[in-house]
Amino acid sequence: EVQLVESGGGLVQPGRSLKLSCAASGFTFSNYYMAWVRQAPKKGLEWVATISTSGSRTYYPDSVKGRFTISRDNAKSSLYLQMNSLKSEDTATYYCARLGDYYDGTYYPYFDYWGQGVMVTVSS
Amino acid sequence: ETVMTQSPTSMSTSIGERVTLNCKASQSVGINVDWYQQTPGQSPKLLIYGASNRHTGVPDRFTGSGFGRDFTLTISNVEAEDLAVYYCLQYGSSWTFGGGTKLELK
Repeated sequence: EVQLVESGGGLVQPGRSLKLSCAASGFTFSNYYMAWVRQAPKKGLEWVATISTSGSRTYYPDSVKGRFTISRDNAKSSLYLQMNSLKSEDTATYYCARLGDYYDGTYYPYFDYWGQGVMVTVSS
Repeated sequence: ETVMTQSPTSMSTSIGERVTLNCKASQSVGINVDWYQQTPGQSPKLLIYGASNRHTGVPDRFTGSGFGRDFTLTISNVEAEDLAVYYCLQYGSSWTFGGGTKLELK
């Protein structure tokens, strides 16, 4: 059974840093791109970061580029999100998600498994 | 950045009805759109990938369609468990979610 378990959330002051972790199990972690998606309280979903299987390629939206860093340790089947210079608008539940795919001549990537999420609150 | 605009933001329905949710991209994304369902307190769940392909285990009352800029998710014969928020996601250029449509009981 695929499982994604996030940890590391909590209350942090503006301008400080926090590192989230996601422990994966039930699949060959090194074969999949992985991502972080967040959801501010009572708001919609926002993609935060994606990382390739080897970790050599990373992708971010402008809202977090330069402040957040996604990384992975395939030996430990773990995904990370280092968040620096945190702002109040980064307050959200952060989900770890697996980027699965299907190919039938056309490539279809999709977020097929999600963790339960971890809450990050940025406040003084 | 490709902006995804969902409409309506909320809609009321009765059990057994047919509803259509809309998603419009600010530029063409081909068929690179997924649909996700999120029930209260739960993580999102994949329903549709590649605009019209039902994910494994998704009931056939869920149908996705569209190409280019305009996409729809139709739920036929709505059941109580379908009351949720639905999000479209484009992956043609990076990844962008729509703002969501909340499906409520009338």
